[in-house]
Amino acid sequence: DAGVIQSPRHEVTEMGQEVTLRCKPISGHNSLFWYRQTMMRGLELLIYFNNNVPIDDSGMPEDRFSAKMPNASFSTLKIQPSEPRDSAVYFCASSPRDRHSYEQYFGPGTRLTVT
Amino acid sequence: GESVGLHLPTLSVQEGDNSIINCAYSNSASDYFIWYKQESGKGPQFIIDIRSNMDKRQGQRVTVLLNKTVKHLSLQIAATQPGDSAVYFCAENRASGNTPLVFGKGTRLSVIA
Repeated sequence: DAGVIQSPRHEVTEMGQEVTLRCKPISGHNSLFWYRQTMMRGLELLIYFNNNVPIDDSGMPEDRFSAKMPNASFSTLKIQPSEPRDSAVYFCASSPRDRHSYEQYFGPGTRLTVT
Repeated sequence: GESVGLHLPTLSVQEGDNSIINCAYSNSASDYFIWYKQESGKGPQFIIDIRSNMDKRQGQRVTVLLNKTVKHLSLQIAATQPGDSAVYFCAENRASGNTPLVFGKGTRLSVIA
C-alpha cells in the first residue's frame, strides 16, 4: 500500500499567487481530512469529507481557502490569494470507516512557504 | 513583533529507560483514543489505540493506559531508543457529536544516547 500521497512536498510561492495542494487518499478509505500544522497553533483540522462530501469546513480560516473532492481518489486544497501567514505544513489524512473518527492515516505533508 | 511558538512539553529520557507520556482529555463521552508519533519532517503515524471499555492495551514496546475517572491517558514506551525521539500526540473520538478525532498539543520526547 502506497499510503496517503501528497504533492507537492514543498511549495514556495509569492504572496498573492494561487496555491493548489493535492492529495490521494488510501484506496477504499471513506473519509479524508485536511490539516494545517504550525509552530504557533499546532495541528489544526481545516475540513473533512465523508464519501466525497464536505462535512465540516468550519476550520477553514478564510474564504481564500477552498477544498474539493471530485472523486474518491483525489482531493485538492486551494489558497487564492496566498499570504505569508499561510506558511505551514499541510497534511492530508484518510480514514477507512464511515464514522471517520477512527484511525487516520496521514500523508507526508506539503511544506508551504509564502514570501 | 516576534511571534510566540507553541510551547510543547518536553520529556528527556536516557536510552534504555522507560518513557511515560501523559495526556489529559476533557470530554467524558469520548469512547476511543489514539496515540500518534510524529518524527521531524514527517506526518503523524499511528502507534496504538484503545477503546473506552478497556483500561490497558499493549503493543510492541508500547502500552497505553486509560483512566476514565480522571480523564487521563498515558503512553508507556519500554526500553526507549533513539528512534523513539519524536513528538507524540494523543487524539480522542468525542462520541457525543459527529466529529472527527480531536488532537492534543503534543509532547516532545528526546532520547539521550
